[in-house]
Amino acid sequence: GAVVSQHPSWVICKSGTSVKIECRSLDFQATTMFWYRQFPKQSLMLMATSNEGSKATYEQGVEKDKFLINHASLTLSTLTVTSAHPEDSSFYICSASLAGGRVGTDTQYFGPGTRLTVL
Amino acid sequence: GQNIDQPTEMTATEGAIVQINCTYQTSGFNGLFWYQQHAGEAPTFLSYNVLDGLEEKGRFSSFLSRSKGYSYLLLKELQMKDSASYLCAVGGKLIFGQGTELSVKP
Repeated sequence: GAVVSQHPSWVICKSGTSVKIECRSLDFQATTMFWYRQFPKQSLMLMATSNEGSKATYEQGVEKDKFLINHASLTLSTLTVTSAHPEDSSFYICSASLAGGRVGTDTQYFGPGTRLTVL
Repeated sequence: GQNIDQPTEMTATEGAIVQINCTYQTSGFNGLFWYQQHAGEAPTFLSYNVLDGLEEKGRFSSFLSRSKGYSYLLLKELQMKDSASYLCAVGGKLIFGQGTELSVKP
């Protein structure tokens, strides 16, 4: 149980285009999902918290107009990188938990990640 | 603010024991997680501590001291497949340390 999928697993795009990444909880409902970014040899950096039916909460320094998050249902959250540039190339990972991280014992389950390369 | 520190890299021998330390300073504390991440893959959950003491789970154990803001992950009987990055994170909205790259040598 507690499987999280992401699609696509990798994507290459031209500078200036937009890319959409999907995150799905396959066997449980997730009212809250989290989006992380990881650059090579670095740890995961939380970008935003995605809440079903409401606006996402962005971490300091993350441009909400550039990284659009939509949490349309209890099993799906999407991250759209708008007007992507080479510096946006990174490994994007989503996670989901049963209690949205509000409970300490609430383990987060990670998707397999999406490798974005912007040319 | 929040600050989580881990050694950047460690090397150990197959069959040996290795301890990866993590120190943290956070404004609130809701438990500490350890994750394993192989290159190019997403993290997988290893352990969770919210009370002081040692939690043992097979070859892996995790220890927490809340008063010292300190945790460690202990890996016994190391195998080559244990070569990975080990991430310490403070929950519930996870804040990750920079990760410790463990290399297991034959």
